Amino acid sequence: GAVVSQHPSRVICKSGTSVKIECRSLDFQATTMFWYRQFPKKSLMLMATSNEGSKATYEQGVEKDKFLINHASLTLSTLTVTSAHPEDSSFYICSARGEGGSEQFFGPGTRLTVL
Amino acid sequence: SQQGEEDPQALSIQEGENATMNCSYKTSINNLQWYRQNSGRGLVHLILIRSNEREKHSGRLRVTLDTSKKSSSLLITASRAADTASYFCATAIDTGRRALTFGSGTRLQVQP
Repeated sequence: GAVVSQHPSRVICKSGTSVKIECRSLDFQATTMFWYRQFPKKSLMLMATSNEGSKATYEQGVEKDKFLINHASLTLSTLTVTSAHPEDSSFYICSARGEGGSEQFFGPGTRLTVL
Repeated sequence: SQQGEEDPQALSIQEGENATMNCSYKTSINNLQWYRQNSGRGLVHLILIRSNEREKHSGRLRVTLDTSKKSSSLLITASRAADTASYFCATAIDTGRRALTFGSGTRLQVQP
């Protein structure tokens, strides 16, 4: 199957700093990428959908100024958590879907811990 | 709000036994997918069943879909300790964006 990578896999930062998480499709062109958030022992919650070259669509309750998403190319989307707070600590997972595809391929996730 | 609810939330069985997990959803779907997640890891796609299908098999996995009841089940036969993981069902919430909405998940523990 198609491969999606995320970087970093784990990050610890201080309150108030910004953290950038990268999501890459390694062997296919991802026209759409999705960002999910997962709290411990909970399910995945969709945060936003990004299409290459256009603005991301955020889910209700997700602050677009706090979670900046950039889908600058067909293989890369980035999520920047701005002015991070301890409550932003979570597991962030991206997924990517190719043109016309129905299956999403998930990245391995990024564990963010904000001190 | 969550589209899917799964039961049981947690399931503990012995190796060799079968494990059945159920998922219910609320809206019309194009397809339903099952994923597996090992602790602290990403998701692995297991199987996709389309709305016009009723049953699908893949190795030791058997998935059923009842669109009239808006429910699906995942059966893992002859379970192994390596099957220990969380299992999620996911549905596409619309055809345009095809984002997935995940169920609450079932944590499966297979005792060796």
